[in-house]
Amino acid sequence: SQTIHQWPATLVQPVGSPLSLECTVEGTSNPNLYWYRQAAGRGLQLLFYSVGIGQISSEVPQNLSASRPQDRQFILSSKKLLLSDSGFYLCAWSGSLHSGNTIYFGEGSWLTVV
Amino acid sequence: AQSVTQLDSHVSVSEGTPVLLRCNYSSSYSPSLFWYVQHPNKGLQLLLKYTSAATLVKGINGFEAEFKKSETSFHLTKPSAHMSDAAEYFCVVSSITGRRALTFGSGTRLQVQP
Repeated sequence: SQTIHQWPATLVQPVGSPLSLECTVEGTSNPNLYWYRQAAGRGLQLLFYSVGIGQISSEVPQNLSASRPQDRQFILSSKKLLLSDSGFYLCAWSGSLHSGNTIYFGEGSWLTVV
Repeated sequence: AQSVTQLDSHVSVSEGTPVLLRCNYSSSYSPSLFWYVQHPNKGLQLLLKYTSAATLVKGINGFEAEFKKSETSFHLTKPSAHMSDAAEYFCVVSSITGRRALTFGSGTRLQVQP
């Protein structure tokens, strides 16, 4: 069966520091991968998605970037964090972009920028 | 284009009473529809999904949802609420031509009173 791992679960970072959140998927190949952000009391915002190694689409302009160095690895990064980057970040995967394919989420990473 | 509206941001019920979480959608094409549940500080878990088969969909933990095309609705119900059902619920739509995988509703927070 497929599993998705995301880490770290929580982190507190000072403004201006770098960020790296990592996500890996097991039990499937060539998944579509996603990074979502959930700000406190708000819905989910799609940040990035990837259909293959090195292929990243950004949904919103922001202080963050994503990379996919391996087929089942997806990394969310920032060179200098802002206070507004605080939130709950969720990695997810699906079999394809087509309708009907379920998207599966990791457990999330709480980021607090201080 | 596609969109989804969750009509209630908060719903409060007593334990043992029925649950109704309302969701309306719009889509230019035949949609797939999902309900996810998120417990505090956790990732999202799939409750159920509709993909153009039976209009009444049964999910986990006693939840079910009915797809009504004429009303463009996909409301989530459960006959009898349990304390463990207290969580945030998200309705999600995905159209067959969606390059972006999913559109999330803003969420409904369900409180269950003893």
